[in-house]
Amino acid sequence: GQQLNQSPQSMFIQEGEDVSMNCTSSSIFNTWLWYKQEPGEGPVLLIALYKAGELTSNGRLTAQFGITRKDSFLNISASIPSDVGIYFCAGSIQGAQKLVFGQGTRLTINP
Amino acid sequence: DTEVTQTPKHLVMGMTNKKSLKCEQHMGHRAMYWYKQKAKKPPELMFVYSYEKLSINESVPSRFSPECPNSSLLNLHLHALQPEDSALYLCASSQDRPGVLYNEQFFGPGTRLTVL
Repeated sequence: GQQLNQSPQSMFIQEGEDVSMNCTSSSIFNTWLWYKQEPGEGPVLLIALYKAGELTSNGRLTAQFGITRKDSFLNISASIPSDVGIYFCAGSIQGAQKLVFGQGTRLTINP
Repeated sequence: DTEVTQTPKHLVMGMTNKKSLKCEQHMGHRAMYWYKQKAKKPPELMFVYSYEKLSINESVPSRFSPECPNSSLLNLHLHALQPEDSALYLCASSQDRPGVLYNEQFFGPGTRLTVL
């Protein structure tokens, strides 16, 4: 089946640092989604990407849909303590109801 | 209203109990999903309802029984569960309308289920 390789698995950074994580796939996706999940809560949608090459920002977050349609990255600038959580990428084929999730990147921030 | 709500927040049940999880959305979405999530893992799809009809069952054991009474509500009936079924159960919804390209899935806060 389709798999997404998400890296890194975990990150330990200082407050104020920039963060970068990415997802790659052996298959082409038409949609890339980035979610953040905090302990005891459901995933919250951060950014949705629908066009190859698309670069989209949401505050301090920036995500890009790779030109090959097989990868995506998420950057967080000037991290703050509330950025702590697990970030999941997810991909899907247009119109499909199934999302393929990455294994997640656990972000820890030292104040 | 852009929320998906789930009740209860926490549930503890014995292996012989029957219980139900409930999910509700008022975004006019026509697709609703049940996911199971184990600690430190991504969500795993269980069921998908599209226009109130079951469209995907990911080979889930029959002790989990989904129900979609109407387009806003989704239930998951639980019976004779096993301790390994303990997990966070997430509900999600998406537009799923013909011609709509943007089918982001929005998740509820989840029900933390513990099976003793």
